[in-house]
Amino acid sequence: AAGVIQSPRHLIKEKRETATLKCYPIPRHDTVYWYQQGPGQDPQFLISFYEKMQSDKGSIPDRFSAQQFSDYHSELNMSSLELGDSALYFCASSFYSPGRGNTEAFFGQGTRLTVV
Amino acid sequence: DAKTTQPPSMDCAEGRAANLPCNHSTISGNEYVYWYRQIHSQGPQYIIHGLKNNETNEMASLIITEDRKSSTLILPHATLRDTAVYYCIVRVGTGNQFYFGTGTSLTVIP
Repeated sequence: AAGVIQSPRHLIKEKRETATLKCYPIPRHDTVYWYQQGPGQDPQFLISFYEKMQSDKGSIPDRFSAQQFSDYHSELNMSSLELGDSALYFCASSFYSPGRGNTEAFFGQGTRLTVV
Repeated sequence: DAKTTQPPSMDCAEGRAANLPCNHSTISGNEYVYWYRQIHSQGPQYIIHGLKNNETNEMASLIITEDRKSSTLILPHATLRDTAVYYCIVRVGTGNQFYFGTGTSLTVIP
């Protein structure tokens, strides 16, 4: 079965550079979530989108922005990168059923961002 | 979303059942209980979820108390590959986020 695809899998950037992470949800899934997981930490919710509109916002820094496109893929844009942004970034997707709300979310394998 | 409390770590002998508890005493009527696990630096993996009835799938069973204030995830025959951090999450059905707590680090011992 198709899973959530994230690219790139690994990314190395220098301080103050920008980075763009991409997420391709499972086909027919309309909701995308982004998470950040620092070394030894639990995943932290950043932001989510439903039907191309931002639906919930967590601890996403102002230097980060994200959007969901017409084909439901999503991109997380990160500017003025700092050393502390080094982390695993996970994307997840689910679909919304009018009868029961959001289904379980499935996660991608993540993008490991290293800022040097 | 309601807060969850889990023991930080547990051990289980290989082949035995692993019972992972979770307290969610402030859960509200429209919140589901979800379980995910994360094997070292991989993406969190969905295991099971439920609202008020007990649930079973090919991976695990979920037992929810009648008052819904706690639940237990049961891995019936733990294997070494079940060593992971297990997260219990409560979430409104229409909610568009999952908040991970600190989870339980389960170690399956040969």
